[in-house]
Amino acid sequence: DGGITQSPKYLFRKEGQNVTLSCEQNLNHDAMYWYRQDPGQGLRLIYYSQIVNDFQKGDIAEGYSVSREKKESFPLTVTSAQKNPTAFYLCASSRSRDPVQPQHFGDGTRLSIL
Amino acid sequence: AQTVTQSQPEMSVQEAETVTLSCTYDTSESDYYLFWYKQPPSRQMILVIRQEAYKQQNATENRFSVNFQKAAKSFSLKISDSQLGDAAMYFCAYRSAYSGYALNFGKGTSLLVTP
Repeated sequence: DGGITQSPKYLFRKEGQNVTLSCEQNLNHDAMYWYRQDPGQGLRLIYYSQIVNDFQKGDIAEGYSVSREKKESFPLTVTSAQKNPTAFYLCASSRSRDPVQPQHFGDGTRLSIL
Repeated sequence: AQTVTQSQPEMSVQEAETVTLSCTYDTSESDYYLFWYKQPPSRQMILVIRQEAYKQQNATENRFSVNFQKAAKSFSLKISDSQLGDAAMYFCAYRSAYSGYALNFGKGTSLLVTP
């Protein structure tokens, strides 16, 4: 079945440590997105990519980095510069030039501070 | 940037009854898309319904329908014959037709369904 796989489901970060969240899709979608969800805040856009080797900052990109070396993969690194990383992270994908098509979401990764 | 406002943090409905969730948005664009997503306790985001701004007809998906008022920038979701499985967080989202295609989400409405 086609879909989006996020791993790990739970992740813990120590102070000063970078951690990477994985997102893989087999839907043949060009566009991929990372959102952060905090209680009472809804989902906020961190980064997005419409094609391989290209990505743009979203509303809350500070302290995060991404890469898009393959169409199927869009990993998110939470750097030590992100002082409040505890949140639920959702990855999504969609067709790049067809905005009526909905975004498909992964099951999310919950990141906590040790 | 476009903002999406869901003014009801929590709503409650009895099983088999009808409930309406509110959503308003702010934009200067003429072409865009609107979505309602459902997030149950499993945290998975599930598309409920979508609406193209250029269409005057309100979208309908089984028990779910919208009331889209473009001039008022309002996009409410009506759930008919509510079921226990409808209990979830509901998010309204805006998507520009011009660039990026990322979603702007509201803060969500928590829907409780009582027997």
